[in-house]
Amino acid sequence: EDQVTQSPEALRLQEGESSSLNCSYTVSGLRGLFWYRQDPGKGPEFLFTLYSAGEEKEKERLKATLTKKESFLHITAPKPEDSATYLCAVQGDGGSNYKLTFGKGTLLTVNP
Amino acid sequence: KAGVTQTPRYLIKTRGQQVTLSCSPISGHRSVSWYQQTPGQGLQFLFEYFSETQRNKGNFPGRFSGRQFSNSRSEMNVSTLELGDSALYLCASSSSTGNTQYFGPGTRLTVL
Repeated sequence: EDQVTQSPEALRLQEGESSSLNCSYTVSGLRGLFWYRQDPGKGPEFLFTLYSAGEEKEKERLKATLTKKESFLHITAPKPEDSATYLCAVQGDGGSNYKLTFGKGTLLTVNP
Repeated sequence: KAGVTQTPRYLIKTRGQQVTLSCSPISGHRSVSWYQQTPGQGLQFLFEYFSETQRNKGNFPGRFSGRQFSNSRSEMNVSTLELGDSALYLCASSSSTGNTQYFGPGTRLTVL
């Protein structure tokens, strides 16, 4: 069974203080690893898809990286508007498996 | 291109009632997945449909069911509602050539 563990559960940063969020996963075969951002009361907003170890993707202040066992979401010089819950999910490649298995998320708060 | 839409956005029901939620995917997307999100369990996969066929089903009781229409719109139904069914129900769509899922805003169901 696919499993995803995210750490820390919550993270408080000062504006401009860079940090990283961790996503550890176990999956029989990785079809894709996904990062989403979720604001309170809203649906998850897609950020990145990573497919293989060594892959990196960037968007504004965010950079996602992938190894064979974990992924990191690096946040450089965050702003208060980056405050949200960040969710990591994996999709295994077993047969007709199309579901996403999510971690519990990291609640990021960026103080001005 | 319009995103995933879900109706209604909010619902209040009482125990024992049944409810139907609706989801319209992004134009051209043929895969629709449903997830339940609660504070304790996070996001959990319910089922996935492609071309009117259920391809995957999560570990939920038979009270949870769904269907997909020829225009790719999907509905999910929950019968004999229980207090524990209170949650945010999220619908996501993906194209037939990609595995990234794009989420709608969700339907907030409260069972009293």
